[in-house]
Amino acid sequence: IAGITQAPTSQILAAGRRMTLRCTQDMRHNAMYWYRQDLGLGLRLIHYSNTAGTTGKGEVPDGYSVSRANTDDFPLTLASAVPSQTSVYFCASSSTGLAGVTGELFFGEGSRLTVL
Amino acid sequence: AQSVTQPDIHITVSEGASLELRCNYSYGATPYLFWYVQSPGQGLQLLLKYFSGDTLVQGIKGFEAEFKRSQSSFNLRKPSVHWSDAAEYFCAVGAAGRRALTFGSGTRLQVQP
Repeated sequence: IAGITQAPTSQILAAGRRMTLRCTQDMRHNAMYWYRQDLGLGLRLIHYSNTAGTTGKGEVPDGYSVSRANTDDFPLTLASAVPSQTSVYFCASSSTGLAGVTGELFFGEGSRLTVL
Repeated sequence: AQSVTQPDIHITVSEGASLELRCNYSYGATPYLFWYVQSPGQGLQLLLKYFSGDTLVQGIKGFEAEFKRSQSSFNLRKPSVHWSDAAEYFCAVGAAGRRALTFGSGTRLQVQP
């Protein structure tokens, strides 16, 4: 089934540890995104990538890094996790039109991360 | 900067009753507007979207939304709610040249039997 696959589904992590959340899409979408979801705050953009080889910062990028070596993969890394990074993380992808219009976002099922 | 406000954090309706979820946006140009639904433990699924044209848009699962430029609103409606509609609903705004969608904080819908 075409879509977005995120791993792990859930993870408990000690503060200070490094963690990479994986995201793979098979829809050949050029744009990919990482959002975090927190109660009462909705979804906030962490990082994005408009195309393979490029990335950009979103609304809440501090403490996170991303890479986009190819079209399909967009991993999110927490270099040194802190408790405030406890959240549910969603990867998404979209195709963008000629005017750079962001089309429909397709979401993965999320990765629940707890930092103790 | 674009922003989205969903003023209702939590709404409870009876099964069979009508539903309206409010969404107000702030953006200088013509926005692209979306409603997503999130069932517990799941990712977000697109319900409907407005890019241009007819201001009343139809979506999946019997939902519709109306774009009102004068009120900067894009409210979601359904004439008769089903128990399976219980979920969290997110309004989002995008625009040409913008890099990603901006989401509201969500409205949690509870359906009473």
